[in-house]
Amino acid sequence: EAQVTQNPRYLITVTGKKLTVTCSQNMNHEYMSWYRQDPGLGLRQIYYSMNVEVTDKGDVPEGYKVSRKEKRNFPLILESPSPNQTSLYFCASSFRDDLSKNIQYFGAGTRLSVL
Amino acid sequence: QKEVEQNSGPLSVPEGAIASLNCTYSDRGSQSFFWYRQYSGKSPELIMSIYSNGDKEDGRFTAQLNKASQYVSLLIRDSQPSDSATYLCAVKSSASKIIFGSGTRLSIRP
Repeated sequence: EAQVTQNPRYLITVTGKKLTVTCSQNMNHEYMSWYRQDPGLGLRQIYYSMNVEVTDKGDVPEGYKVSRKEKRNFPLILESPSPNQTSLYFCASSFRDDLSKNIQYFGAGTRLSVL
Repeated sequence: QKEVEQNSGPLSVPEGAIASLNCTYSDRGSQSFFWYRQYSGKSPELIMSIYSNGDKEDGRFTAQLNKASQYVSLLIRDSQPSDSATYLCAVKSSASKIIFGSGTRLSIRP
């Protein structure tokens, strides 16, 4: 089954404790992306990757890191989480050719609370 | 001004009626427009895309685009309770970035 898998689905942590949210896709997609969703602000892109070892900043990259060492995985790293990073996070993936049609597959989401 | 604006709602529509959702955008160079549906606690799901002025129909859904007015809308005919969700408008800007609106919450009342 084609899917984008995020883990964990729910996470409560404390300020400053490093965490990683994993994202894995089994569709051989070149493009992967991270979004955060906050009430009244819609989906905002954090980072994206056009292929292995190619990553770029989205609209709200501050406080986040990513890596793309393998095609299927695109982890999101919060080195020192702060309460303003409390949000709902989505990973998405797509074939590069499908980007113009915005055919992205979304993961189920990770709800993060930073205390 | 936000790049993509939507009324947050909630928009309440009786079952069987037409639901009309609206979206405006600021970048005149935008070429591609999308509507996503998102159920509470779930991930967004692409339901419609439109690229040229006019109407595009897919089942009970019709997307309408007016580039001169920088306006895109989604009509849902014969609204069903299962249509109750948040609808996100997304626009591919001239810089090839996808920008999402904040969403309109739609509620279909039986």
